[in-house]
Amino acid sequence: EAGVTQFPSHSVIEKGQTVTLRCDPISGHDNLYWYRRVMGKEIKFLLHFVKESKQDESGMPNNRFLAERTGGTYSTLKVQPAELEDSGVYFCASSQDRGSGNTIYFGEGSWLTVV
Amino acid sequence: GQNIDQPTEMTATEGAIVQINCTYQTSGFNGLFWYQQHAGEAPTFLSYNVLDGLEEKGRFSSFLSRSKGYSYLLLKELQMKDSASYLCAVPGTGFQKLVFGTGTRLLVSP
Repeated sequence: EAGVTQFPSHSVIEKGQTVTLRCDPISGHDNLYWYRRVMGKEIKFLLHFVKESKQDESGMPNNRFLAERTGGTYSTLKVQPAELEDSGVYFCASSQDRGSGNTIYFGEGSWLTVV
Repeated sequence: GQNIDQPTEMTATEGAIVQINCTYQTSGFNGLFWYQQHAGEAPTFLSYNVLDGLEEKGRFSSFLSRSKGYSYLLLKELQMKDSASYLCAVPGTGFQKLVFGTGTRLLVSP
């Protein structure tokens, strides 16, 4: 069974440009999460989808970030326009259940560098 | 809110035992997780403790003391492949998100 897959694995863009990150969760997982790790800091929660609905987007830094999950399958996270401080690793995770930590699976992350 | 503290870096020798500590402050408690993350790879689940005591899984064990707000991950018979970051995390409000510590980078040397 395929795990959580993310694309692209690495991206280097200039300040002001737009980047779209994609996440394909494990098939059948209703819960999809986006996290981010900025250099030297801890992994931080961005938002949580249950199917196509945003359940919690309290971690989204600002309105330059837009996450979608049309059809409740894959999700995209768009950063527009990108700023230098957006550089980091963006992790996607998925789970079938909300109440059990051992079913939360992470992707390998999308490394974003804004120059 | 939630706050987690763990050491930034630890070193140990192959074959040895290492204990990675984690202290936490939470407004409510819904368990504590340990994840392992090799450089450039996905964090992978190691353990989940919700009750006090020690849980053993092969070479890895995890301990929890809810009254002390304290957990540790114990790695025995260290192998070179155990060199990785070890992340302590607790669920946030409503169990919908994980709050992570900064992670402890473990370096195992021959």
